[in-house]
Amino acid sequence: QLQLQESGPGLVKPSETLSLTCTVSGGSISSSSYYWGWIRQPPGKGLEWIGSIYYSGSTYYNPSLKSRVTISVDTSKNQFSLKLSSVTAADTAVYYCARLDLGATHFDYWGQGTLVTVSS
Amino acid sequence: EIVMTQSPATLSVSPGERATLSCRASQSVSSNLAWYQQKPGQAPRLLIYGASTRATGIPARFSGSGSGTEFTLTISSLQSEDFAVYYCQQYNNWPPAYTFGQGTKLEIK
Repeated sequence: QLQLQESGPGLVKPSETLSLTCTVSGGSISSSSYYWGWIRQPPGKGLEWIGSIYYSGSTYYNPSLKSRVTISVDTSKNQFSLKLSSVTAADTAVYYCARLDLGATHFDYWGQGTLVTVSS
Repeated sequence: EIVMTQSPATLSVSPGERATLSCRASQSVSSNLAWYQQKPGQAPRLLIYGASTRATGIPARFSGSGSGTEFTLTISSLQSEDFAVYYCQQYNNWPPAYTFGQGTKLEIK
């Protein structure tokens, strides 16, 4: 059974960079042609796609966040990562990592999510 | 950017009754539409993809329909575990992008 687990600091200071890692178990990031993605959800609000990455490293980002986002993959560790720079309180959210299906049309496996609070 | 609008924001239904949730796209998304269920403190769970295909393990009481800009999620006979927030999500072919509706909260009447 495929499992995804987010990890990283739960508290980030304003103007700094938020960094999260998603560890995939029960399957290899590089063994199949899947995309992997990050989605966030501010407290009490809806879902926002941040960006996606292919195991080869090809990336696609939400245009509204593109200037601040970097997603990378480390196939040797079976992980992919998110960096969001110049954070503000508006970036406070639960951050989810997820797998996109083979057609890359929907998210079929999700991590449990991790709350990141931006505060001094 | 394609905007997804869900209605109603909150739907109150009694157990055993039918619930109908709507999702409208600002432009055609063909059948590139998925539905998710989210319970408090949990990650979203995929219910429907391709507008009408149930995901693995999803009960038959959940059904999706629609194409283009108008989509519907129907829960035929509500069980207690179905009360949650439901999100629709569209996929844009190029450049690849995904947008979610704002959600419909399905509550017990």
